[in-house]
Amino acid sequence: EAGVAQSPRYKIIEKRQSVAFWCNPISGHATLYWYQQILGQGPKLLIQFQNNGVVDDSQLPKDRFSAERLKGVDSTLKIQPAKLEDSAVYLCATSGLAGPPGAKNIQYFGAGTRLSVL
Amino acid sequence: AQSVSQHNHHVILSEAASLELGCNYSYGGTVNLFWYVQYPGQHLQLLLKYFSGDPLVKGIKGFEAEFIKSKFSFNLRKPSVQWSDTAEYFCAVTRGTYKYIFGTGTRLKVLA
Repeated sequence: EAGVAQSPRYKIIEKRQSVAFWCNPISGHATLYWYQQILGQGPKLLIQFQNNGVVDDSQLPKDRFSAERLKGVDSTLKIQPAKLEDSAVYLCATSGLAGPPGAKNIQYFGAGTRLSVL
Repeated sequence: AQSVSQHNHHVILSEAASLELGCNYSYGGTVNLFWYVQYPGQHLQLLLKYFSGDPLVKGIKGFEAEFIKSKFSFNLRKPSVQWSDTAEYFCAVTRGTYKYIFGTGTRLKVLA
């Protein structure tokens, strides 16, 4: 079974520039999450999609961050304009509805995109 | 505010030593509990999980964790660590909405 794919792996930009990250979920996984992991901290949820609808975006800084999941499969996360404090690893995770009890609670993570804002 | 605490930020052990990493959460009611591991250069992987039933759960690679409801704890243990266990370990908690709340992580270094 292929895992969660993310690209790019690394990105270096200057502040005020824009950047986009891409995520391809495990086939059949309806729920997709974007996390921000700042160095020395645990991942923090930015946005959760169920198919192509937003379930939770309460911690997404909507003045600069946006995300979409067209057709309920791939997703992109965009930052525009970037700030120094956006330097972090951006993780995509997905979970499915099928499987044994509790399976939908298990999230599978991609390798992440490490963003450095200079 | 809801939170998950991992009090050990850095742990250094020699091979064959026993390991216990603490995890405490601040939610009441029913919770689902997880430990994830991130090996150097790799993605987060599920180590073990607790949903219900036996509070002592066994995961991969000889790890186990015990859910103690009265202490709001879900500590991770391994009787004898190996050099290959060097990694960062994250505890996570959910309450029905599948929204994970992660702890800050514990970096484990095992000396050969």
